[in-house]
Amino acid sequence: QKEVEQNSGPLSVPEGAIASLNCTYSDRGSQSFFWYRQYSGKSPELIMFIYSNGDKEDGRFTAQLNKASQYVSLLIRDSQPSDSATYLCAVTANNNDMRFGAGTRLTVKP
Amino acid sequence: EPEVTQTPSHQVTQMGQEVILRCVPISNHLYFYWYRQILGQKVEFLVSFYNNEISEKSEIFDDQFSVERPDGSNFTLKIRSTKLEDSAMYFCASSELIEDTEAFFGQGTRLTVV
Repeated sequence: QKEVEQNSGPLSVPEGAIASLNCTYSDRGSQSFFWYRQYSGKSPELIMFIYSNGDKEDGRFTAQLNKASQYVSLLIRDSQPSDSATYLCAVTANNNDMRFGAGTRLTVKP
Repeated sequence: EPEVTQTPSHQVTQMGQEVILRCVPISNHLYFYWYRQILGQKVEFLVSFYNNEISEKSEIFDDQFSVERPDGSNFTLKIRSTKLEDSAMYFCASSELIEDTEAFFGQGTRLTVV
């Protein structure tokens, strides 16, 4: 069973703070890792993807991957109220069934 | 900006009826997917499709479900003999490649089985 685990939250941070979202996965063959943002009632929207160990930065977002620990995280710097959403971690191996975690609900308080 | 489009946005059907959910993937994409999200639950993979055949399917995708690419642009999910528990948001997605590329999601079809 290929599992992707996330803390469901809710995670609450004040505006301007750093939000840290975590994800672990069970399939050691996983190769591609994605963070999607989903607003209530809307479809998932890609935030970032990462394939190699280490950090990848894109604006206020940093994805971190540690394949040895089977762990991927997303940091959101200078959090804004508009960042309030559910963040979905998704993982694929070299087949094409992207598996999602249950999502972490983030609330950024003004 | 190219996008994945899904129709209808909301479908209400009676239990036992068949429904067809339609998707138009992004035109140069080669891989197509269906996902399901029951209200308040996680996004679940149903099936992936490449080169006019299913390349992967989950345990959810049983004989009740089928997919088809009837022409060069549409990608459909058929659910036969719908059950109450099929009520969910169904998302279509497409990607250009299989590895090292992201999937783009449509806005979803909310299926309500009554």
